[in-house]
Amino acid sequence: NAGVTQTPKFQVLKTGQSMTLQCAQDMNHEYMSWYRQDPGMGLRLIHYSVGAGITDQGEVPNGYNVSRSTTEDFPLRLLSAAPSQTSVYFCASSLSYGEKLFFGSGTQLSVL
Amino acid sequence: DAKTTQPPSMDCAEGRAANLPCNHSTISGNEYVYWYRQIHSQGPQYIIHGLKNNETNEMASLIITEDRKSSTLILPHATLRDTAVYYCIVRVSGGSYIPTFGRGTSLIVHP
Repeated sequence: NAGVTQTPKFQVLKTGQSMTLQCAQDMNHEYMSWYRQDPGMGLRLIHYSVGAGITDQGEVPNGYNVSRSTTEDFPLRLLSAAPSQTSVYFCASSLSYGEKLFFGSGTQLSVL
Repeated sequence: DAKTTQPPSMDCAEGRAANLPCNHSTISGNEYVYWYRQIHSQGPQYIIHGLKNNETNEMASLIITEDRKSSTLILPHATLRDTAVYYCIVRVSGGSYIPTFGRGTSLIVHP
């Protein structure tokens, strides 16, 4: 199993551009989530999903959209990137809601 | 969900035991204590979790006090590769919650 795969690993955007961060897991996990981590800070939850077709907001959802059309994939969309969204983004999944989390290796995003 | 309090930093000599404390004084009866660690800028890695009893696995031991208001993660023989940020979180297994990762404890293992 590859586990949780995030692409790309690095991305530079200009203010106002849009992009999608990809997250895929091959463990048949029901629960998936996106976090952002700013320098010296802990992880903050952006959005999460408890199963295909179901998503909900976390602590810091503004500026981000998600969808969950399949169990395997949970993309994170930035519709109009802002410098405040410069951060490292982590995708995580678990077998079900409340179980131990498996994290991807992260995406370093810079918005100029 | 119960919040947790951890010291911001600790250090330990290589080969010695590293004992990382966590306070969760408002924990509820059905909330588990989970520990993760994050090495450099990698994604966090699950270490261990427990409810009431002490737990041990190949990575670490978890000691939970009888009143469950605090716990200690023990790395019995710390190595340089254990240098990382360690997060203690409390979560309801199978329930509705937003898992919160604070700033954790930055553990530095020195030669």
